Amino acid sequence: DAGVIQSPRHEVTEMGQEVTLRCKPISGHDYLFWYRQTMMRGLELLIYFNNNVPIDDSGMPEDRFSAKMPNASFSTLKIQPSEPRDSAVYFCASRWGRERPQHFGDGTRLSIL
Amino acid sequence: GESVGLHLPTLSVQEGDNSIINCAYSNSASDYFIWYKQESGKGPQFIIDIRSNMDKRQGQRVTVLLNKTVKHLSLQIAATQPGDSAVYFCEVGTGGFKTIFGAGTRLFVKA
Repeated sequence: DAGVIQSPRHEVTEMGQEVTLRCKPISGHDYLFWYRQTMMRGLELLIYFNNNVPIDDSGMPEDRFSAKMPNASFSTLKIQPSEPRDSAVYFCASRWGRERPQHFGDGTRLSIL
Repeated sequence: GESVGLHLPTLSVQEGDNSIINCAYSNSASDYFIWYKQESGKGPQFIIDIRSNMDKRQGQRVTVLLNKTVKHLSLQIAATQPGDSAVYFCEVGTGGFKTIFGAGTRLFVKA
């Protein structure tokens, strides 16, 4: 039973570069979430989708961040241009239905130099 | 405003002792509560959940207690083992979707 798959696991890039994080949710799950985790701010919800439609993106820090879900099995989170303060671990999670636990991927550790 | 918090950011216990991790929430309409365990280098993993129509639920070595009167949630781990060392998060759900994660408590288990 494959869980949520994120790629890459680690990304190191220079400030100003475009960064694309990828997520494959668990098959059959209809909710997908993107989170950012830092020591200072903990786990922050950035955006979530229901049936591939973005529902709430109020957690997206600024216009440099964008997320898409072109189909039920794939989502991307893009940062353009990237800045050092974007350095964090980014998690994708999926869930089936409401009032269910979320299933998290192992995250992408992003370092912007 | 709405918030979810943890009383103790770090908890250190002796192997074999019981651990209690606490979580306070502010929205009285919250109706679904989940505990996750996050090990180093991994994403949070589901441990146990409880709905607002219950005040206690037990799993394997874990028990979740819900006190809606004071808006408090706790996770009890019996006979804590070194493998229980991790960060524990509570997630509080309200109205079917909106959820908030607590800041997390790091549990250290001393051998």
